[in-house]
Amino acid sequence: DADVTQTPRNRITKTGKRIMLECSQTKGHDRMYWYRQDPGLGLRLIYYSFDVKDINKGEISDGYSVSRQAQAKFSLSLESAIPNQTALYFCATSDSTGWKLFFGSGTQLSVL
Amino acid sequence: GESVGLHLPTLSVQEGDNSIINCAYSNSASDYFIWYKQESGKGPQFIIDIRSNMDKRQGQRVTVLLNKTVKHLSLQIAATQPGDSAVYFCAENSGGSNYKLTFGKGTLLTVNP
Repeated sequence: DADVTQTPRNRITKTGKRIMLECSQTKGHDRMYWYRQDPGLGLRLIYYSFDVKDINKGEISDGYSVSRQAQAKFSLSLESAIPNQTALYFCATSDSTGWKLFFGSGTQLSVL
Repeated sequence: GESVGLHLPTLSVQEGDNSIINCAYSNSASDYFIWYKQESGKGPQFIIDIRSNMDKRQGQRVTVLLNKTVKHLSLQIAATQPGDSAVYFCAENSGGSNYKLTFGKGTLLTVNP
């Protein structure tokens, strides 16, 4: 079983719709992250959480929100999706001792 | 015209050869560097890391070299295999005491049998 599980794997939605991407982990890590990947670009950080009561904005948080429901669960929401949010989204975890990230398999989101 | 940023640098090697993937990092204060491998359809996977107080670190078939003078990082893969075909990213801890892991755009490695 995957240590970091993202659902759904693929999603097509329309402009203006609200959408939630979910992430769960069995690694027991405190820290969780949401990244976005666009073709030819590096991974960019959307939000991160160092524990259940901690939420921080990353470099591209506009248009997104997150919820840390439990140590093992971290969801990403697009309140009103727009086409330039079409991208591959990754959830990741790390323990508190370093920067080594463990990524999920990604969610390919298309906003029409 | 086309945007250079949409095209990844590519490296094509023959199976069995050694591969060297290069990365220039941006922040001279960065103190931790990581290499990730991303296969098609999968999330990035940790390969090896190195702290700024080291110049070289070896893993299984991989070696990372750090040259802080010119802010350059390289990943060497020995005896490259078809399973090594992937996009390779470097990342640097560029935020000091704050969390900021900056990823490079990646290099596509293709291994020819």
